[in-house]
Amino acid sequence: KNEVEQSPQNLTAQEGEFITINCSYSVGISALHWLQQHPGGGIVSLFMLSSGKKKHGRLIATINIQEKHSSLHITASHPRDSAVYICASPGRYSGGGADGLTFGKGTHLIIQP
Amino acid sequence: GAVVSQHPSWVICKSGTSVKIECRSLDFQATTMFWYRQFPKQSLMLMATSNEGSKATYEQGVEKDKFLINHASLTLSTLTVTSAHPEDSSFYICSATQIGGYEQYFGPGTRLTVT
Repeated sequence: KNEVEQSPQNLTAQEGEFITINCSYSVGISALHWLQQHPGGGIVSLFMLSSGKKKHGRLIATINIQEKHSSLHITASHPRDSAVYICASPGRYSGGGADGLTFGKGTHLIIQP
Repeated sequence: GAVVSQHPSWVICKSGTSVKIECRSLDFQATTMFWYRQFPKQSLMLMATSNEGSKATYEQGVEKDKFLINHASLTLSTLTVTSAHPEDSSFYICSATQIGGYEQYFGPGTRLTVT
């Protein structure tokens, strides 16, 4: 079974700072997900990536398949970025089709103005 | 595109009653839907995988007779919590994948409180 570890668990930063959240997993995967969860519980999928790097606005996600490690970066952070960021990977490596996800414990990010 | 809805968004029920939660893919066909739950201050956990037209696959420790899953069409899966108990109070969230895809699209979740 895949183990997904995230760090840090909590992060408070000032507006404008560059944010990095790390994720490591134990089993080879087809794709890794980065998700954002707001206080009400709703989840937004930010990225799904299987190699290299993806960018969307101020968010950047990278993955190193060999090292089983991924990072989520936020540039020019803003108070509205405050949320829980979660990485998730398939629980089992099947090599084909979607699998149920194993989630990290999440990083509680607070951006102070 | 790729919108998933859940209904209801929150529900309060009495112990011993059953509650049905619907998960719909609004603008795509989903052969596979997943059901997750999240207890307060804990991670999301996979409960079951639901494939259209076949029986759901449950994760270890999830009672299939208590959490009934039906995926009768390519756009709808339902989760019924039978004989609910206060310990079933949780946030239930579904996700769906498009045919042949890996990306999961999440519903907004259903908060269940059992009194």
